[in-house]
Amino acid sequence: GDSVTQMEGPVTLSEEAFLTINCTYTATGYPSLFWYVQYPGEGLQLLLKATKADDKGSNKGFEATYRKETTSFHLEKGSVQVSDSAVYFCALSDRGLQGAQKLVFGQGTRLTINP
Amino acid sequence: GAVVSQHPSWVICKSGTSVKIECRSLDFQATTMFWYRQFPKQSLMLMATSNEGSKATYEQGVEKDKFLINHASLTLSTLTVTSAHPEDSSFYICSARDFRQRLSYEQYFGPGTRLTVT
Repeated sequence: GDSVTQMEGPVTLSEEAFLTINCTYTATGYPSLFWYVQYPGEGLQLLLKATKADDKGSNKGFEATYRKETTSFHLEKGSVQVSDSAVYFCALSDRGLQGAQKLVFGQGTRLTINP
Repeated sequence: GAVVSQHPSWVICKSGTSVKIECRSLDFQATTMFWYRQFPKQSLMLMATSNEGSKATYEQGVEKDKFLINHASLTLSTLTVTSAHPEDSSFYICSARDFRQRLSYEQYFGPGTRLTVT
């Protein structure tokens, strides 16, 4: 079945450092790809998405490009802030039973930014 | 907008008892809700898809008699863990899809419920 693999954490960086969190996927068909963020004590929030090959999703300074040839959707940010400390999940959408779009998640990467 | 709440946020119960977890969409109607389980340092695993007014669809390997799901209204779904055992201890997360965006992929997530079975 479909699956998502993202780099293991935890990742610790200093403020203003460059961030990359790798994500690769296996899927039949043409899934949509997502990055979700989970801040401490809160539910998952959609950070950005891309629905087709070569699309770039962006939000809050984060970017990720849907690369079909390498089946990747790496998350990047040029200059991280302490407030970016959270757990980041890569996910793809898959049409499950009864046509409901279900999400398949990677294992999550905990990011800590030190001042 | 698009807020999903869960209650309780954490619960401790004794082995053999049943526990009910509520998932509510606060400012939208949700014809579809999803229940996930998350183990420490692991990903979210979809347990079941819940459609208002019909039976839930369970993922392979999930015991439907153990994890009872009811989606009786457009704003409420409940997950009941029956005859809980220590191995059921986990973090349970629900999500909901806005009825007005029923053709969309977007899901709004609750903050999760930590269940500990002693």
